[in-house]
Amino acid sequence: NAGVMQNPRHLVRRRGQEARLRCSPMKGHSHVYWYRQLPEEGLKFMVYLQKENIIDESGMPKERFSAEFPKEGPSILRIQQVVRGDSAAYFCASSHDRNTYNEQFFGPGTRLTVL
Amino acid sequence: QKEVEQDPGPLSVPEGAIVSLNCTYSNSAFQYFMWYRQYSRKGPELLMYTYSSGNKEDGRFTAQVDKSSKYISLFIRDSQPSDSATYLCAMSVNTGTASKLTFGTGTRLQVTL
Repeated sequence: NAGVMQNPRHLVRRRGQEARLRCSPMKGHSHVYWYRQLPEEGLKFMVYLQKENIIDESGMPKERFSAEFPKEGPSILRIQQVVRGDSAAYFCASSHDRNTYNEQFFGPGTRLTVL
Repeated sequence: QKEVEQDPGPLSVPEGAIVSLNCTYSNSAFQYFMWYRQYSRKGPELLMYTYSSGNKEDGRFTAQVDKSSKYISLFIRDSQPSDSATYLCAMSVNTGTASKLTFGTGTRLQVTL
């Protein structure tokens, strides 16, 4: 059973460009979460989605960031007009409908560098 | 004040030592507690998860939760060089369904030969 997949693993963008990060959850998982990790910091929650719905976006910056999880295909985290402060590792996690302890399984991350 | 506090370390121990990693938290609504291990430039790997107070053991790892003190611990017995990583505590409230995790900053552990 393949784990959570993320691509690309590394992404370099110039200031003002758009970044698109993709996440395919584990098989059978319909809950997807995005977290951001800055150097020397823990993971910070950004957004939680189920198929076609945003459940909790309390950690998402109000501007330039958006996320979706369509009925078919991976979840996408989109960052428009990137700035240097967006440079970070972005992790996606997924969980099963019937998980008992809210356990979430993480992908390898996408490391975004903004030049 | 952060919701979850964790000493960043680094913590250096000799091989075979018992390691104690800890987190404190301020939100009394947290009921699910997890420990993740993260190797350099990799994704976090779920090690242990517990609900409410008590102990849970899995091989060389023991997780403890003391809700009255808002304090959780992870013990690693017979530590190995392969245990060298950053250990992140994470917790969430019980909403009856899935919900976000709140993480500590992580403790960097180095097990030396």
